[in-house]
Amino acid sequence: GDQVEQSPSALSLHEGTSSALRCNFTTTTRSVQWFRQNSRGSLINLFYLASGTKENGRLKSAFDSKELYSTLHIRDAQLEDSGTYFCAAEDMGYKLTFGTGTSLLVDP
Amino acid sequence: AQTIHQWPVAEIKAVGSPLSLGCTIKGKSSPNLYWYWQATGGTLQQLFYSITVGQVESVVQLNLSASRPKDDQFILSTEKLLLSHSGFYLCAWSLTGGARAEQFFGPGTRLTVL
Repeated sequence: GDQVEQSPSALSLHEGTSSALRCNFTTTTRSVQWFRQNSRGSLINLFYLASGTKENGRLKSAFDSKELYSTLHIRDAQLEDSGTYFCAAEDMGYKLTFGTGTSLLVDP
Repeated sequence: AQTIHQWPVAEIKAVGSPLSLGCTIKGKSSPNLYWYWQATGGTLQQLFYSITVGQVESVVQLNLSASRPKDDQFILSTEKLLLSHSGFYLCAWSLTGGARAEQFFGPGTRLTVL
């Protein structure tokens, strides 16, 4: 079936540093969403991309529909960025397939 | 502004007992609605989606069923719970039209089956 390979599975950053998460898709993907899940389980929408790149503050995401991958860059990481990050790929119908998640811990 | 409400917030049930989880969307007419399940420490898996009242499509078979009795309501249920049903259930909505549409999630219901 459709798969979304997300890496890394876990990431530890010092405050002020930067890193990137990546998702590879195995099939045609119409769009990608990125979420952060907090400790209560709530999913916070970060980005929705049908193509190209978007930036919001210290976060930037890119989606290459031809090469079948998406990235999420976190710049100048802060303590409140900690959480689990998921990408999700939308197929040509109504199905959204989630990646396996990246557990991010930002420490002082 | 649109709001999405799920009930109950949490539930502890016995194996073999029935279950009904609910989701209500306010402030959006005729949204697409979705149910997801997340095992503890795992990823999210789409279970059902609905694009109109009375019509529900199954994505994954987990001995669960879903119904959409009203435009703004989505119900997830089963007559007999299994231990494997434990987890976190999330409802989501998106705009209609069949075009690419961002999904927005509710606060979730945490289910423990003993």
